Amino acid sequence: QVQLQQWGAGPLKPSETLSLTCVVRGGSLTDYNWSWIRQPPGKGLNWVGEISPTGIFKYHPSLESRVTISLHTSSNQISLKLNSVTAADTAIYYCAAFNKGAYYFDFWGQGTLVTVSS
Amino acid sequence: QSALTQPPSASGSPGQSVTISCIGVTNEFPLHQTVSWYQQHPGKAPKLILYKIYERPSGVPDRFSGSQSANTASLTISGLQAEDEADYYCSSFPVRSNFGMIFGGGTKLTVL
Repeated sequence: QVQLQQWGAGPLKPSETLSLTCVVRGGSLTDYNWSWIRQPPGKGLNWVGEISPTGIFKYHPSLESRVTISLHTSSNQISLKLNSVTAADTAIYYCAAFNKGAYYFDFWGQGTLVTVSS
Repeated sequence: QSALTQPPSASGSPGQSVTISCIGVTNEFPLHQTVSWYQQHPGKAPKLILYKIYERPSGVPDRFSGSQSANTASLTISGLQAEDEADYYCSSFPVRSNFGMIFGGGTKLTVL
């Protein structure tokens, strides 16, 4: 059973860079595409982006100028960086294992609340 | 506004059945068999409960079932239990997508 454990620094001030890491336990980075999904407090889920095992990435158009998702194969980790954050980026961020063949998120990290406030 | 529309709330009594709909925008609704459903309890991460419209992951009770007709997918929970009280989200890959997966706005299920 794949388990995802995530962590990251917070809170942040506007214009700073959000940085989160997700480690994959019980599985390999080659098993899935890897996604980040965020959820503003009290609201619904929003897809941020994803990266394939070969490093091909895809980002939400509204974020693509500020976001980077990377694979770190030596440590079985995925990272998310979002620069120039604003209060609108305040959310719980989840990493998730995405089954590209059947289009579903099989496993989720526990979530990390990132608050952006001056 | 999400391209997948869910009712904001639903409710039922223990033992009853409840159905939650997920309606896609015409011409943008998902590729065949890409609808999945997630259950999220307060303060917890979402959990996959159905994929490919009606397939259940290991460990998900058969009280959870799914269907799709035209541009509407449905999640039905039979024999409601108190532990089913949660938020439910549908998700899909849009036919015309230049990015990735989309989610419905979520439905808060209350077990009366």
